[in-house]
Amino acid sequence: EDQVTQSPEALRLQEGESSSLNCSYTVSGLRGLFWYRQDPGKGPEFLFTLYSAGEEKEKERLKATLTKKESFLHITAPKPEDSATYLCAVQGAETSGSRLTFGEGTQLTVNP
Amino acid sequence: DAGITQSPRHKVTETGTPVTLRCHQTENHRYMYWYRQDPGHGLRLIHYSYGVKDTDKGEVSDGYSVSRSKTEDFLLTLESATSSQTSVYFCASKDLRGPGNTIYFGEGSWLTVV
Repeated sequence: EDQVTQSPEALRLQEGESSSLNCSYTVSGLRGLFWYRQDPGKGPEFLFTLYSAGEEKEKERLKATLTKKESFLHITAPKPEDSATYLCAVQGAETSGSRLTFGEGTQLTVNP
Repeated sequence: DAGITQSPRHKVTETGTPVTLRCHQTENHRYMYWYRQDPGHGLRLIHYSYGVKDTDKGEVSDGYSVSRSKTEDFLLTLESATSSQTSVYFCASKDLRGPGNTIYFGEGSWLTVV
């Protein structure tokens, strides 16, 4: 059974204070690790897909990295508009329907 | 963005009544999904579809049924709503052509069972 654990549950940062969110996972054959952003009252918005250990992807102030056991979402010099819940999900090679297994998310608040 | 629309966006219903949520996508995606999101549980898969009239159960399928008669529409039915089905429901679809197997989500349907 695929499992995803995200930490911390909540994180408060000052504007400009860089930090990282963690996603630990267990999966039988990783097909992809996904990061989503979710704003209150909205659906998850796709950010990145990572496929293999060592891979990195960047988008504006966000950079996602992947190892064989975990992924990090690094946030550099965050702004208040980066406040959201960040969700991590995995897709396993043995999972039918190519469905995703999600973690519970990290709620990020960036204060001005 | 997969052009996914969900309806209704908000609904209050009574215990024991049937409820149908509709998901419509405009991108001709083959795979479609229904998830529910609850505090302490995150997003959990209810049912999914891998083509017209082809559906399968997810991890929390009890009390739910689905139908897919057209590629663009995926319906979720609560046969007899219970208070434990009060939740936010998200529809999603999968783009096989885009950057890496991405699953896109709709805006959600808030359901309250009283």
